[in-house]
Amino acid sequence: QQQVKQSPQSLIVQKGGISIINCAYENTAFDYFPWYQQFPGKGPALLIAIRPDVSEKKEGRFTISFNKSAKQFSLHIMDSQPGDSATYFCAASRGGGAGSYQLTFGKGTKLSVIP
Amino acid sequence: GAVVSQHPSWVICKSGTSVKIECRSLDFQATTMFWYRQFPKQSLMLMATSNEGSKATYEQGVEKDKFLINHASLTLSTLTVTSAHPEDSSFYICSAGGGGSAAGANVLTFGAGSRLTVL
Repeated sequence: QQQVKQSPQSLIVQKGGISIINCAYENTAFDYFPWYQQFPGKGPALLIAIRPDVSEKKEGRFTISFNKSAKQFSLHIMDSQPGDSATYFCAASRGGGAGSYQLTFGKGTKLSVIP
Repeated sequence: GAVVSQHPSWVICKSGTSVKIECRSLDFQATTMFWYRQFPKQSLMLMATSNEGSKATYEQGVEKDKFLINHASLTLSTLTVTSAHPEDSSFYICSAGGGGSAAGANVLTFGAGSRLTVL
């Protein structure tokens, strides 16, 4: 049973456009929702993360929108650039506290930003 | 910020040999480290969770005698692929918890990954 569903699997966006990636989760115990960016041949890097007590978090061109009642969260990349072309993974973890690091990952979205 | 160093970044070995991959947290103490396997164009598959000073917890379907994990200190975990075969060829990634700046933050920092090719 996949606990975090991510869509779309791939996304092509024109430079300057908005990239939107969606994730839905099932486990209401999840309380931490990070997004990771991965370039080919590299490990994932934390991009931005949110907790359920807020509905939106913005860092530069990256925004997470969180809908607790719908159990959904999404990543918006404004003014998408070719350098944003990468695979993006949403994830979720539960339990809070310093010891709760185990992440459940979505299947990933390959983003291609074309000039 | 928190940095996790993974070494080697790529390794080629002959079938039947063993390969060790190291994962180090450089500027923080990692109470928990995770090992993942990633196939091309796929998500990360959690292999095992290791806590310093205790035995690793392996995910279902992962052979613990095949993938030996040691977490001897708060800054080092190792994954040894024993008697490697071509089907073990993959991208192995480690992550370490404990590098978050906020108390209770579930921050995981990932290594750059290790590409294993078994001939």
